[in-house]
Amino acid sequence: DTGVSQDPRHKITKRGQNVTFRCDPISEHNRLYWYRQTLGQGPEFLTYFQNEAQLEKSRLLSDRFSAERPKGSFSTLEIQRTEQGDSAMYLCASSSRSTGTMYDRYTFGSGTRLTVV
Amino acid sequence: DAKTTQPPSMDCAEGRAANLPCNHSTISGNEYVYWYRQIHSQGPQYIIHGLKNNETNEMASLIITEDRKSSTLILPHATLRDTAVYYCIVRPNSGNTPLVFGKGTRLSVIA
Repeated sequence: DTGVSQDPRHKITKRGQNVTFRCDPISEHNRLYWYRQTLGQGPEFLTYFQNEAQLEKSRLLSDRFSAERPKGSFSTLEIQRTEQGDSAMYLCASSSRSTGTMYDRYTFGSGTRLTVV
Repeated sequence: DAKTTQPPSMDCAEGRAANLPCNHSTISGNEYVYWYRQIHSQGPQYIIHGLKNNETNEMASLIITEDRKSSTLILPHATLRDTAVYYCIVRPNSGNTPLVFGKGTRLSVIA
């Protein structure tokens, strides 16, 4: 098990361009989360999936953002018409519900750092 | 809106115990206390969680007050590698509510 993988690690794009990030969760984890983190702040929740179903989206997820998780495996986060305010670290996490308990432990990837110039 | 209050920063000497406080005075009966940490340039890492009993694992101990309005994360012998931002989070035990992070406490372990 190699943990949660995110690709790319860094992305520099010009304002107005579209970008797509990929997250590969731990294989047996059925939940996948996307967070965004700006300098000096804690991670902010964007959206999460259980298998292929997108169960919740934050108000932070504007119409320019879309996330998919086809077949309940990897996930992609696309940002259309990027703005300078989109510059942040985008973190992916995965989890599974432990047998007999009612909690999830998240395993995070190392993130994709987006810079919009 | 964060349900927890943590000091923005703390220092600890290497080899000493690091005691990180967290106030969660509005915690509900079905909410757990979780601790995560984030080392520079990495994603957050799960440390420990608890409901009302004290908990210990290989990384840390969690002490929750009897009224559950505050807790303390204890790193018994801090090392330089423990330098990180530590997040205290309260969350219902249903598991359906995503983790909500505040700003955390930046712990600096000093040689």
